[in-house]
Amino acid sequence: EAQVTQNPRYLITVTGKKLTVTCSQNMNHEYMSWYRQDPGLGLRQIYYSMNVEVTDKGDVPEGYKVSRKEKRNFPLILESPSPNQTSLYFCASSLFGRYSNQPQHFGDGTRLSIL
Amino acid sequence: QKEVEQNSGPLSVPEGAIASLNCTYSDRGSQSFFWYRQYSGKSPELIMFIYSNGDKEDGRFTAQLNKASQYVSLLIRDSQPSDSATYLCAGAGKTSYDKVIFGPGTSLSVIP
Repeated sequence: EAQVTQNPRYLITVTGKKLTVTCSQNMNHEYMSWYRQDPGLGLRQIYYSMNVEVTDKGDVPEGYKVSRKEKRNFPLILESPSPNQTSLYFCASSLFGRYSNQPQHFGDGTRLSIL
Repeated sequence: QKEVEQNSGPLSVPEGAIASLNCTYSDRGSQSFFWYRQYSGKSPELIMFIYSNGDKEDGRFTAQLNKASQYVSLLIRDSQPSDSATYLCAGAGKTSYDKVIFGPGTSLSVIP
């Protein structure tokens, strides 16, 4: 089954304790992206990747890191989480569109609570 | 600042009626448009995408694009209570080098 898998689905942790949210897709997609979704603010892009070893900042990259060592994986790292990073996070992937922007497929989401 | 705007709703329609969801965008260079459905606490699910002016139909769903007016809409025919969700409109440029801009979403409630 074609899917984007995120782990963990839920996490409650404390300020300053490094955490990683994993994202893996099995569709051989080149493009991957991380979003956060907050009430009243909609989906905001954190980082994205066009392909292996190619990553770039989105709209709200502060406090986050990513890496793309393999095509299927795109982990999101919070080196020193703070309460303002409490949010619902989505990983998404798509084919790379050279002639038309391609629809993104979303993971089930990770609800992070930073105390 | 490129923006995609939607009425937040809630939009309420009776079961069996046509639900009409509207979206406007500010970037005239946008060429790719997507509609996602999102149930509360769940991930966005692709409903339709449209690249060309005019209508595109898929089952009970019709997407309409008018680039001159910078307007995209989604019609849901024979609305069902299971269609009750938030609908996200998104616009983007021609290729994946162009960021996808999401609107804030419209909440739809289908009343049995």
